[in-house]
Amino acid sequence: AQSVAQPEDQVNVAEGNPLTVKCTYSVSGNPYLFWYVQYPNRGLQFLLKYITGDNLVKGSYGFEAEFNKSQTSFHLKKPSALVSDSALYFCAVRDEGGNTGKLIFGQGTTLQVKP
Amino acid sequence: EAGVAQSPRYKIIEKRQSVAFWCNPISGHATLYWYQQILGQGPKLLIQFQNNGVVDDSQLPKDRFSAERLKGVDSTLKIQPAKLEDSAVYLCASRGLAGDRHNEQFFGPGTRLTVL
Repeated sequence: AQSVAQPEDQVNVAEGNPLTVKCTYSVSGNPYLFWYVQYPNRGLQFLLKYITGDNLVKGSYGFEAEFNKSQTSFHLKKPSALVSDSALYFCAVRDEGGNTGKLIFGQGTTLQVKP
Repeated sequence: EAGVAQSPRYKIIEKRQSVAFWCNPISGHATLYWYQQILGQGPKLLIQFQNNGVVDDSQLPKDRFSAERLKGVDSTLKIQPAKLEDSAVYLCASRGLAGDRHNEQFFGPGTRLTVL
């Protein structure tokens, strides 16, 4: 069965510093991976996805993610954090079982960017 | 384009009462999802529709939860009767281009349900 794990409940970083939010995955076939962000009292917003191709995927708001097949990881990164990046981040994998395309989410990582 | 709309945004009920949530997906999106997000956890799929047909409801507690999408557009999710453990945010999402499973899902703002 497909799954993702986000090993950190919270990540703290100073504004202007690089940030990394970690995600590892477990899939039986090809991995289709996504990152979403959730601001307080709002729905999830899509950031980026890896389907195939380049291992470095660029997304919204200056975020990028690096797909690493050997380490089964898909870490979210940003070169310079902003206070406004503070939010809850979810990694997700598309469940290929049954061909429904549903997403299986990690438990989420709270990113706190301090001025 | 307009996003996914949900109502109400907040609902407080007592256990054993009934509640219904409404979702209007992005125009033209054939696939609609209902997720349950319990505090401190990631969203969990409850039910997935393709047009007005159910694709996956394996995680839906069918003894108390029901959902429909009669005309293949709007959808309602109902809980009857509610339990304390149903307190959560209920998210609706939609996805376009039914033939492309890799398209991202677009989420509504959610309905925060508190069961007392």
